[in-house]
Amino acid sequence: EPEVTQTPSHQVTQMGQEVILRCVPISNHLYFYWYRQILGQKVEFLVSFYNNEISEKSEIFDDQFSVERPDGSNFTLKIRSTKLEDSAMYFCASGGEIGHAYNEQFFGPGTRLTVL
Amino acid sequence: KNEVEQSPQNLTAQEGEFITINCSYSVGISALHWLQQHPGGGIVSLFMLSSGKKKHGRLIATINIQEKHSSLHITASHPRDSAVYICAAEETSGSRLTFGEGTQLTVNP
Repeated sequence: EPEVTQTPSHQVTQMGQEVILRCVPISNHLYFYWYRQILGQKVEFLVSFYNNEISEKSEIFDDQFSVERPDGSNFTLKIRSTKLEDSAMYFCASGGEIGHAYNEQFFGPGTRLTVL
Repeated sequence: KNEVEQSPQNLTAQEGEFITINCSYSVGISALHWLQQHPGGGIVSLFMLSSGKKKHGRLIATINIQEKHSSLHITASHPRDSAVYICAAEETSGSRLTFGEGTQLTVNP
């Protein structure tokens, strides 16, 4: 069964460093998402991506964040200058097949980002 | 902005019991998602529904659009059902999910 994959599973970085989190969505999906979950808190939406551009972003998704779909298969989240408060589990999700009216989302296993 | 509330926050049951988790939201939606999060953190989609009722095995999800309320039921609960159950509202198709806080379910043998 197709699944969303994410790498790495755990990333440790120093404050101020850039990190890139990688995702491979399910191949025939049209919508791609990044969410994050700070330890002990609820999952929060960061950004959605459709037709090769950002379709929606939250107030969390400021100028230090960017997303890219560089090669038609990978979907990346870049954090330019990490802060301690960026430590969280980051989930990629994909959904929406051609011809389907509704958009079940399939989640990757997550990348745990630890900023020291 | 949609507000999604779940109850209860924590639920402990004995194996075999019937479980109900409730979810309410404040703004009209295109779909309501029920998700399961395992202790390792992984999130699995259980249901996506926009009206009525859906059933998968021992899990049943219902939604009342007029009352902006959904319920997740688990029949004949089992210790392997122990997880966090999360509801999430999707306001328009393809758009962001707004998540509830989750319900920690523990089923004891």
